[in-house]
Amino acid sequence: DVKVTQSSRYLVKRTGEKVFLECVQDMDHENMFWYRQDPGLGLRLIYFSYDVKMKEKGDIPEGYSVSREKKERFSLILESASTNQTSMYLCASSPPFKRQETQYFGPGTRLLVL
Amino acid sequence: GESVGLHLPTLSVQEGDNSIINCAYSNSASDYFIWYKQESGKGPQFIIDIRSNMDKRQGQRVTVLLNKTVKHLSLQIAATQPGDSAVYFCAENIGGSQGNLIFGKGTKLSVKP
Repeated sequence: DVKVTQSSRYLVKRTGEKVFLECVQDMDHENMFWYRQDPGLGLRLIYFSYDVKMKEKGDIPEGYSVSREKKERFSLILESASTNQTSMYLCASSPPFKRQETQYFGPGTRLLVL
Repeated sequence: GESVGLHLPTLSVQEGDNSIINCAYSNSASDYFIWYKQESGKGPQFIIDIRSNMDKRQGQRVTVLLNKTVKHLSLQIAATQPGDSAVYFCAENIGGSQGNLIFGKGTKLSVKP
């Protein structure tokens, strides 16, 4: 079974803090993704990576950065957390796009920024 | 409670009935489609997929139908159970070199015992 794990289920941070969200997958997938999920807006892509040290902006990258130093690990960084970044953050991974396979999601991290 | 289900269309069915959840997709070039189930407090879980060269695909208690003419996707759940209560959303892959998924907003399925 594919397993995608996220470092925290719940996080509470203060405005201005630097926040790290970690994601690890055990299926040797090339692609990894970070989304945020908000009521009424669905899933929105923040960043994705199709290889180690490679990253691409998604639809809403502002205020975020990412790091992929190892194939299995994809980190999302909030350089200076703001209250509008309170959200559910979901990590996903998938095989190469040409294989036309689904994305597998982690359990999510619910972040509250005060 | 979890907020992912707010502002979503809701389908309420009786336990044992069949459920049909619909999705209109946006891009006629999309060639791969997925249905996900998201239970409260959890990440989305893959249910079933279908490629554009097919009209129908069946899984265990679930069937996906694809109508490319009207860009419509549906998920049928047979003999709906309380454990099926969740938010269901579709995703389309427009293909190409990146092949990112575009997700629908979702439908909340509520199963009455």
